Amino acid sequence: TQLLEQSPQFLSIQEGENLTVYCNSSSVFSSLQWYRQEPGEGPVLLVTVVTGGEVKKLKRLTFQFGDARKDSSLHITAAQPGDTGLYLCAGVVYNFNKFYFGSGTKLNVKP
Amino acid sequence: ETGVTQTPRHLVMGMTNKKSLKCEQHLGHNAMYWYKQSAKKPLELMFVYNFKEQTENNSVPSRFSPECPNSSHLFLHLHTLQPEDSALYLCASSQDRYRLAGGDDTGELFFGEGSRLTVL
Repeated sequence: TQLLEQSPQFLSIQEGENLTVYCNSSSVFSSLQWYRQEPGEGPVLLVTVVTGGEVKKLKRLTFQFGDARKDSSLHITAAQPGDTGLYLCAGVVYNFNKFYFGSGTKLNVKP
Repeated sequence: ETGVTQTPRHLVMGMTNKKSLKCEQHLGHNAMYWYKQSAKKPLELMFVYNFKEQTENNSVPSRFSPECPNSSHLFLHLHTLQPEDSALYLCASSQDRYRLAGGDDTGELFFGEGSRLTVL
Protein backbone atom coordinates (compact mmCIF):
# COMPACT_ATOMS: atom_id res chain seq x y z
CA THR A 1 0.00 0.00 0.00
CA GLN A 2 1.31 3.41 -1.00
CA LEU A 3 1.47 6.09 1.67
CA LEU A 4 0.64 8.65 -1.00
CA GLU A 5 -2.01 7.54 -3.50
CA GLN A 6 -2.40 9.50 -6.68
CA SER A 7 -5.39 9.46 -8.98
CA PRO A 8 -5.92 8.98 -11.75
CA GLN A 9 -2.97 6.80 -12.68
CA PHE A 10 -3.30 7.65 -16.35
CA LEU A 11 -4.94 10.56 -18.09
CA SER A 12 -5.15 11.21 -21.81
CA ILE A 13 -6.86 14.44 -22.85
CA GLN A 14 -7.10 16.85 -25.75
CA GLU A 15 -5.25 20.13 -25.83
CA GLY A 16 -7.32 22.88 -24.21
CA GLU A 17 -9.07 20.67 -21.67
CA ASN A 18 -8.83 21.14 -17.92
CA LEU A 19 -7.78 18.40 -15.51
CA THR A 20 -7.19 17.72 -11.84
CA VAL A 21 -4.79 15.25 -10.29
CA TYR A 22 -5.20 14.15 -6.69
CA CYS A 23 -2.72 13.07 -4.06
CA ASN A 24 -4.20 11.49 -0.93
CA SER A 25 -2.93 10.00 2.28
CA SER A 26 -4.13 8.96 5.70
CA SER A 27 -1.00 10.55 7.18
CA VAL A 28 -0.32 14.19 7.96
CA PHE A 29 2.50 15.79 6.03
CA SER A 30 4.77 18.64 7.07
CA SER A 31 5.03 19.69 3.44
CA LEU A 32 4.07 18.37 0.05
CA GLN A 33 5.79 18.81 -3.26
CA TRP A 34 4.77 18.26 -6.85
CA TYR A 35 7.29 17.16 -9.44
CA ARG A 36 6.98 16.69 -13.20
CA GLN A 37 9.07 14.12 -15.01
CA GLU A 38 9.35 14.22 -18.77
CA PRO A 39 10.41 11.13 -20.75
CA GLY A 40 14.15 10.53 -20.48
CA GLU A 41 14.59 13.05 -17.72
CA GLY A 42 14.61 13.14 -13.94
CA PRO A 43 11.75 14.71 -11.95
CA VAL A 44 11.78 18.49 -11.62
CA LEU A 45 10.15 20.34 -8.74
CA LEU A 46 7.09 22.40 -9.62
CA VAL A 47 5.98 23.63 -6.21
CA THR A 48 6.16 23.06 -2.46
CA VAL A 49 3.16 23.64 -0.19
CA VAL A 50 3.62 23.92 3.54
CA THR A 51 0.51 25.41 5.15
CA GLY A 52 -2.85 23.62 5.38
CA GLY A 53 -5.31 25.18 2.93
CA GLU A 54 -2.52 26.83 0.96
CA VAL A 55 -3.10 27.51 -2.73
CA LYS A 56 -0.25 28.24 -5.10
CA LYS A 57 -0.43 29.14 -8.77
CA LEU A 58 2.20 28.58 -11.41
CA LYS A 59 0.88 29.96 -14.71
CA ARG A 60 -1.87 27.50 -15.72
CA LEU A 61 -1.17 25.15 -12.79
CA THR A 62 -2.94 25.55 -9.45
CA PHE A 63 -1.80 23.56 -6.43
CA GLN A 64 -3.77 23.14 -3.23
CA PHE A 65 -2.77 21.63 0.11
CA GLY A 66 -5.67 20.21 2.11
CA ASP A 67 -6.69 21.86 5.37
CA ALA A 68 -5.66 18.78 7.34
CA ARG A 69 -2.41 18.46 5.35
CA LYS A 70 -3.27 14.92 4.27
CA ASP A 71 -4.00 15.61 0.63
CA SER A 72 -3.18 17.85 -2.28
CA SER A 73 -4.44 18.55 -5.75
CA LEU A 74 -2.98 19.86 -8.98
CA HIS A 75 -5.30 21.53 -11.46
CA ILE A 76 -4.18 22.36 -14.97
CA THR A 77 -6.21 24.83 -17.01
CA ALA A 78 -6.21 24.62 -20.81
CA ALA A 79 -3.69 21.79 -20.99
CA GLN A 80 -1.02 21.90 -23.67
CA PRO A 81 1.08 19.12 -25.22
CA GLY A 82 4.06 20.50 -23.29
CA ASP A 83 2.29 19.49 -20.07
CA THR A 84 2.71 15.83 -21.00
CA GLY A 85 4.68 13.89 -18.43
CA LEU A 86 4.58 12.00 -15.16
CA TYR A 87 3.33 14.05 -12.23
CA LEU A 88 4.54 12.97 -8.81
CA CYS A 89 3.53 14.24 -5.42
CA ALA A 90 5.99 13.80 -2.57
CA GLY A 91 6.26 14.86 1.01
CA VAL A 92 7.72 14.61 4.47
CA VAL A 93 5.55 12.83 7.02
CA TYR A 94 4.88 15.04 10.04
CA ASN A 95 6.89 14.09 13.12
CA PHE A 96 8.35 11.11 11.31
CA ASN A 97 10.94 12.80 9.12
CA LYS A 98 10.47 10.31 6.30
CA PHE A 99 10.07 11.39 2.71
CA TYR A 100 7.73 9.57 0.33
CA PHE A 101 6.82 9.78 -3.32
CA GLY A 102 3.33 9.13 -4.62
CA SER A 103 2.40 6.51 -7.16
CA GLY A 104 2.40 9.02 -10.02
CA THR A 105 -0.05 10.23 -12.66
CA LYS A 106 0.95 9.84 -16.28
CA LEU A 107 -0.56 12.67 -18.34
CA ASN A 108 -0.75 12.74 -22.13
CA VAL A 109 -2.05 15.87 -23.80
CA LYS A 110 -2.88 15.32 -27.45
CA PRO A 111 -2.62 18.21 -29.92
CA GLU B 1 27.09 22.43 -16.43
CA THR B 2 23.93 20.78 -15.15
CA GLY B 3 23.33 20.43 -11.42
CA VAL B 4 23.30 16.62 -11.12
CA THR B 5 25.05 14.51 -13.71
CA GLN B 6 24.69 10.75 -14.07
CA THR B 7 26.78 8.37 -16.15
CA PRO B 8 26.29 6.23 -18.05
CA ARG B 9 22.85 7.19 -19.37
CA HIS B 10 22.30 3.66 -20.64
CA LEU B 11 23.83 0.39 -19.48
CA VAL B 12 23.27 -3.19 -20.60
CA MET B 13 24.86 -5.89 -18.52
CA GLY B 14 24.77 -9.62 -18.03
CA MET B 15 23.87 -11.19 -14.74
CA THR B 16 27.50 -12.00 -13.94
CA ASN B 17 28.96 -8.60 -14.81
CA LYS B 18 30.22 -5.96 -12.42
CA LYS B 19 29.48 -2.37 -13.32
CA SER B 20 29.09 0.97 -11.59
CA LEU B 21 26.79 3.95 -11.92
CA LYS B 22 28.21 7.37 -11.18
CA CYS B 23 26.53 10.53 -9.94
CA GLU B 24 28.08 13.96 -9.50
CA GLN B 25 26.43 17.08 -8.16
CA HIS B 26 27.73 20.62 -8.61
CA LEU B 27 25.25 22.30 -6.26
CA GLY B 28 27.18 22.21 -3.00
CA HIS B 29 24.58 19.96 -1.42
CA ASN B 30 25.19 17.75 1.59
CA ALA B 31 22.75 14.93 0.93
CA MET B 32 22.65 12.50 -1.98
CA TYR B 33 20.18 9.75 -2.82
CA TRP B 34 19.75 6.73 -5.06
CA TYR B 35 16.22 5.98 -6.29
CA LYS B 36 14.97 3.11 -8.46
CA GLN B 37 12.13 3.76 -10.90
CA SER B 38 10.50 0.91 -12.79
CA ALA B 39 7.45 0.73 -15.02
CA LYS B 40 5.36 -0.96 -12.38
CA LYS B 41 6.46 0.91 -9.28
CA PRO B 42 6.84 4.53 -8.29
CA LEU B 43 10.12 5.96 -7.12
CA GLU B 44 11.70 3.63 -4.58
CA LEU B 45 14.29 5.09 -2.27
CA MET B 46 17.37 2.88 -2.07
CA PHE B 47 20.07 4.76 -0.18
CA VAL B 48 20.60 8.12 1.48
CA TYR B 49 23.92 9.77 2.27
CA ASN B 50 24.26 12.87 4.40
CA PHE B 51 27.69 14.45 4.75
CA LYS B 52 29.19 11.30 3.15
CA GLU B 53 27.64 9.03 5.78
CA GLN B 54 24.98 6.50 4.83
CA THR B 55 21.85 7.31 6.81
CA GLU B 56 19.35 5.01 5.11
CA ASN B 57 19.39 1.65 3.40
CA ASN B 58 15.86 0.63 2.51
CA SER B 59 16.37 -3.13 2.61
CA VAL B 60 18.24 -3.07 -0.67
CA PRO B 61 19.81 -6.40 -1.73
CA SER B 62 23.56 -6.63 -1.24
CA ARG B 63 24.11 -6.93 -4.99
CA PHE B 64 23.71 -3.14 -4.93
CA SER B 65 26.58 -1.46 -3.13
CA PRO B 66 26.70 2.33 -2.73
CA GLU B 67 29.80 4.42 -2.23
CA CYS B 68 30.05 8.09 -1.35
CA PRO B 69 33.70 9.25 -1.32
CA ASN B 70 32.73 12.91 -0.82
CA SER B 71 29.63 15.09 -0.75
CA SER B 72 29.78 15.66 -4.51
CA HIS B 73 30.08 12.09 -5.75
CA LEU B 74 27.93 9.02 -5.34
CA PHE B 75 28.41 5.60 -6.90
CA LEU B 76 26.22 2.53 -7.15
CA HIS B 77 28.23 -0.63 -7.68
CA LEU B 78 26.33 -3.44 -9.36
CA HIS B 79 27.20 -7.13 -9.09
CA THR B 80 25.34 -10.29 -10.13
CA LEU B 81 22.11 -8.47 -10.83
CA GLN B 82 18.84 -10.08 -11.81
CA PRO B 83 16.65 -9.22 -14.80
CA GLU B 84 14.07 -7.72 -12.43
CA ASP B 85 16.69 -5.13 -11.47
CA SER B 86 16.27 -3.56 -14.89
CA ALA B 87 15.01 -0.04 -14.25
CA LEU B 88 15.85 3.64 -14.35
CA TYR B 89 18.21 4.53 -11.52
CA LEU B 90 17.95 8.13 -10.45
CA CYS B 91 20.40 10.06 -8.35
CA ALA B 92 19.26 13.14 -6.44
CA SER B 93 20.75 15.68 -4.09
CA SER B 94 19.39 18.19 -1.61
CA GLN B 95 20.87 20.83 0.65
CA ASP B 96 20.48 18.56 3.65
CA ARG B 97 18.80 15.23 4.22
CA TYR B 98 15.03 15.67 3.82
CA ARG B 99 15.30 19.32 4.70
CA LEU B 100 11.82 20.45 5.68
CA ALA B 101 10.48 23.24 3.57
CA GLY B 102 9.94 26.55 5.24
CA GLY B 103 10.36 30.20 4.39
CA ASP B 104 12.46 30.46 1.27
CA ASP B 105 13.62 26.85 1.48
CA THR B 106 11.63 24.60 -0.81
CA GLY B 107 13.23 21.41 0.48
CA GLU B 108 13.78 20.48 -3.14
CA LEU B 109 15.34 17.31 -4.46
CA PHE B 110 17.45 17.87 -7.58
CA PHE B 111 17.50 14.84 -9.82
CA GLY B 112 19.89 13.69 -12.50
CA GLU B 113 18.60 12.40 -15.81
CA GLY B 114 18.97 8.81 -14.69
CA SER B 115 20.82 5.70 -15.82
CA ARG B 116 18.68 3.25 -17.75
CA LEU B 117 19.85 -0.22 -16.74
CA THR B 118 18.98 -3.41 -18.60
CA VAL B 119 20.02 -6.73 -17.11
CA LEU B 120 20.03 -9.62 -19.56
